[in-house]
Amino acid sequence: DQQVKQNSPSLSVQEGRISILNCDYTNSMFDYFLWYKKYPAEGPTFLISISSIKDKNEDGRFTVFLNKSAKHLSLHIVPSQPGDSAVYFCAASVPSNTDKLIFGTGTRLQVFP
Amino acid sequence: DTAVSQTPKYLVTQMGNDKSIKCEQNLGHDTMYWYKQDSKKFLKIMFSYNNKELIINETVPNRFSPKSPDKAHLNLHINSLELGDSAVYFCASSQEWRPFSYEQYFGPGTRLTVT
Repeated sequence: DQQVKQNSPSLSVQEGRISILNCDYTNSMFDYFLWYKKYPAEGPTFLISISSIKDKNEDGRFTVFLNKSAKHLSLHIVPSQPGDSAVYFCAASVPSNTDKLIFGTGTRLQVFP
Repeated sequence: DTAVSQTPKYLVTQMGNDKSIKCEQNLGHDTMYWYKQDSKKFLKIMFSYNNKELIINETVPNRFSPKSPDKAHLNLHINSLELGDSAVYFCASSQEWRPFSYEQYFGPGTRLTVT
């Protein structure tokens, strides 16, 4: 049962434009959402997070938006740079005795000049 | 200095063999994890340890046995390897268990291929 879904396996954006990566989830108990970024031959690295009590969190060029009623979150990158080309994983956490992160399958972002 | 390191980076072996993957973190973190990324790109938690104690065991076959000799190391031993074990295995660490650390630091991964 895939609780976190990234339906777009890839996205191609021109340098300087906005990149919008989307993520949908099914579990309304998730309390925290995160984005991780992964370059080839490296492990994922934490990028940005948002608590379920907020609807927006911004960090430099990266902004995450959360729409709880739609069970949807998105990552906006403005402006996009070639170095942003990577796979982006959406992840969520549900509070329990055994906290864990549940990851989506990732979206490959390519930023071209 | 590599924060979370794994060895080996690549592992090719035959069905039925036993193999180990080692993980070390030099961040002083209390919690370590093993994740598996399968061919469909799902990244799933397998185990987590906090201060050498097992916290999460996610319905993983008992052919997989994690061992944490100290809080800086978490090794993964796999017995009787099967074709379906082929995947990329990531080790990760986080600062503490409570409160739950959402920011986890991942190693570069070990690509295991079982033939």
